[in-house]
Amino acid sequence: EAGVTQSPTHLIKTRGQQATLRCSPISGHTSVYWYQQALGLGLQFLLWYDEGEERNRGNFPPRFSGRQFPNYSSELNVNALELEDSALYLCASRSGLQGSGSPLHFGNGTRLTVT
Amino acid sequence: AQTVTQSQPEMSVQEAETVTLSCTYDTSESDYYLFWYKQPPSRQMILVIRQEAYKQQNATENRFSVNFQKAAKSFSLKISDSQLGDAAMYFCAYRSEKTGTASKLTFGTGTRLQVTL
Repeated sequence: EAGVTQSPTHLIKTRGQQATLRCSPISGHTSVYWYQQALGLGLQFLLWYDEGEERNRGNFPPRFSGRQFPNYSSELNVNALELEDSALYLCASRSGLQGSGSPLHFGNGTRLTVT
Repeated sequence: AQTVTQSQPEMSVQEAETVTLSCTYDTSESDYYLFWYKQPPSRQMILVIRQEAYKQQNATENRFSVNFQKAAKSFSLKISDSQLGDAAMYFCAYRSEKTGTASKLTFGTGTRLQVTL
């Protein structure tokens, strides 16, 4: 079974630009989560999508947005990039069919560098 | 809001020895899950072990086991017979099972584990 895949692996942008990060969940998983992992910090919850709808978002400004497509893949968009947006962005998926105890399965992340 | 605290930024253990990583959490809820994830240099977060709050028995997965103290809100991870491949960043995480909650994981700041020969 293929795991969660994220692209690109690395992304370099300049301040003020927009970044688009992509995630494909494990086949059969309908929930997708996005986390930001800044250097030296833990994982901060960004967004949760389930069945194409945004279910919840973390404490991030509106320039962080995303969507989930009918095939359950997801896209994270970061507008007006700032230097402090430089981080590893992790995507995770989960199957609701397994019950609420089902764990999150993570991808390898996209390393975003803003210069 | 729930918080997860890992008070040990770094730990070191010799190969074949046992090490315990600490985690405490704060919640007013009774139904939740606790997880330990491992993040090696490859960056991928890998599930190590999980514990349902309603279960009194401590979870075990091969060389990994937990000491879950619900009243004390403590959830430590014990790694026995440590191997070089265990070297990684370890994150403790909490998820509420309360209806209507975000179903998101709340993570601690992590403990970096070094394994020496």
